Parts: sequence; C-alpha cells; structure tokens
Amino acid sequence: ETGVTQTPRHLVMGMTNKKSLKCEQHLGHNAMYWYKQSAKKPLELMFVYNFKEQTENNSVPSRFSPECPNSSHLFLHLHTLQPEDSALYLCASSQDGTGFYGYTFGSGTRLTVV
Amino acid sequence: QKEVEQNSGPLSVPEGAIASLNCTYSDRVSQSFFWYRQYSGKSPELIMSIYSNGDKEDGRFTAQLNKASQYVSLLIRDSQPSDSATYLCAVNHPTYAGGTSYGKLTFGQGTILTVHP
Repeated sequence: ETGVTQTPRHLVMGMTNKKSLKCEQHLGHNAMYWYKQSAKKPLELMFVYNFKEQTENNSVPSRFSPECPNSSHLFLHLHTLQPEDSALYLCASSQDGTGFYGYTFGSGTRLTVV
Repeated sequence: QKEVEQNSGPLSVPEGAIASLNCTYSDRVSQSFFWYRQYSGKSPELIMSIYSNGDKEDGRFTAQLNKASQYVSLLIRDSQPSDSATYLCAVNHPTYAGGTSYGKLTFGQGTILTVHP
C-alpha cells in the first residue's frame, strides 16, 4: 500500500447508526487531517492531529469523534448523524505540523445519511 | 472576506488554448501555496506548489506568486480535454491554537475548467 488509504469508499448509514471511517498513511508523515467536502462549498477542515496530538477541532459537532492512536492511523467515529452530514470525507497527511509542503489526500469516503 | 478566493467559473477553453486560473488570499503571513486538481468523484491531487515570488514551471503548468498583491495563479498551456476538472487553490498559513503553533491549509471554492475538443 502506498500513499493515504481510506476505508470504506462509500457508506450509507441511518441517523441512529454508529460507524467509523478509517485512514492510514504510508508516507512516514507526522500530521493527519480530516476534511469535509460538501457540494458547492470549499473543503472544510474538521480536525488536525500533529504527532498524534489533536491541535484543532474546528467547531465540529460532537457527533463526529476523531481518534488518532499513532501517527499513521486516523479514525472518525460517527453517531446520530443528520442528513446534512452527507458529504465526501477526506483524510490527508503532511510531513509535519507546519504543512509547509502541502497535504496528500486519501481517496475519500462518500457518506450518505438517510 | 473569504480567506482564499478563486475566480468564478466555470471556465471553458478550446483544446490547445491557455487556461488561466486565479486566486487571492487574505492572510499576509501565508507561507506556501498550492494548486490541486480534482476530477469529479475523486479526491484532490497536488499538481503545483510554489513558495517564493515569481514563476514556477512544470511541464504544461506554470504557477505564479505575488505576495505583495496576495495573488496566486495557474496557467495551463496546450490545454487538453483530460485537464477538465475542478482546480483548487490552497494556502498554508501559520495558526496558533491550544498552546500550539501549526500550519493550516485553507482552500478556495474551486474553479471548474472544461476543455472542449
């Protein structure tokens, strides 16, 4: 495996379900991110982890719960979501917390909440 | 004022023409600048990065940066139908939160480019 891998690629869940998104990076990077991409809106930064410590929670509702057990893995735990949470969820990584050289994105999880 | 703003699209150019994409940003302490390409249903792919004023060329792509004007652009020469995608401008700027300093990448809303044969 190379780059940043995300699973699952597609997810349909009911509003009462609990599910998790998984991200793994094979680049030796030390910072990882969750972004949300909704139709006709810019990418929205949700969470930042630098050396597995959370450094930003961008006013994200508590129904989204991130977990970063080490610098290579990042999870997004989902529970009691709303239909407006349907979007493409993107994981990214960067060499370090400065992000100076840019981010590498995973292929994303297309989430539909019904 | 939006932090990163791109010229409104969509942009349509004929095959072989030059496509010009523009972006302005509001944070003067921004340090690095990127163009990502995103095909429909796919994730963003980094195609150009630029760190200092001037031009940077890579194949058919040229990025231009003017920090005084807070302006970044991307030129695509000899445009091909395969260049049809959404182009995202992204700006990295230092942020301080929770006792920690880190870089934050902020994206523009994207410009849809269509290259027609």
